[in-house]
Amino acid sequence: AQSVSQHNHHVILSEAASLELGCNYSYGGTVNLFWYVQYPGQHLQLLLKYFSGDPLVKGIKGFEAEFIKSKFSFNLRKPSVQWSDTAEYFCAARTGGFKTIFGAGTRLFVKA
Amino acid sequence: NAGVTQTPKFQVLKTGQSMTLQCAQDMNHNSMYWYRQDPGMGLRLIYYSASEGTTDKGEVPNGYNVSRLNKREFSLRLESAAPSQTSVYFCASSEFGTGAMNTEAFFGQGTRLTVV
Repeated sequence: AQSVSQHNHHVILSEAASLELGCNYSYGGTVNLFWYVQYPGQHLQLLLKYFSGDPLVKGIKGFEAEFIKSKFSFNLRKPSVQWSDTAEYFCAARTGGFKTIFGAGTRLFVKA
Repeated sequence: NAGVTQTPKFQVLKTGQSMTLQCAQDMNHNSMYWYRQDPGMGLRLIYYSASEGTTDKGEVPNGYNVSRLNKREFSLRLESAAPSQTSVYFCASSEFGTGAMNTEAFFGQGTRLTVV
């Protein structure tokens, strides 16, 4: 079955630290990949997406992600996090159809 | 733009009661989805509708039914609510196709449902 795995369930960082959140998907065909963010009490918002082309994707708020097809990975990165980045982050994959499958999420807490 | 609108925002049900969650989108998307969000489990797909007139089961369809009323509206019904259905429910819509037709999923604000 298609699935999306996020390696870290909880991450705690200090402000200005670098961030990398891991994401792997299990599907061998064409895939669309997404990272969403959910701030406390809010709905999911898109951070960035990969459909095709350059595997290094830049999103909003200084986030970027790299699609590595050989590793089935789409890790999210940010060079320097801020307190306002405290949120839950979800990786998602849409694989050859209409369904978008989400990972379990990573809760990020940034200490001021 | 309103985007995806869900009603109600909060609901408390007694075990065995029924209710319908409403969802409407104004982006002319073909595909619509219902997810539930539970702590530590992310979002799990309950049902989806690839286009008007079609619906399909997702990962966790048991205990739910859906209706794609028209292109704009996609409702989720709990016929006999159970405590295990206590969750936050999100409706979403997207466009899936080639090239510029592809979009990400756009989400509603969510419905927090408690079944006691």
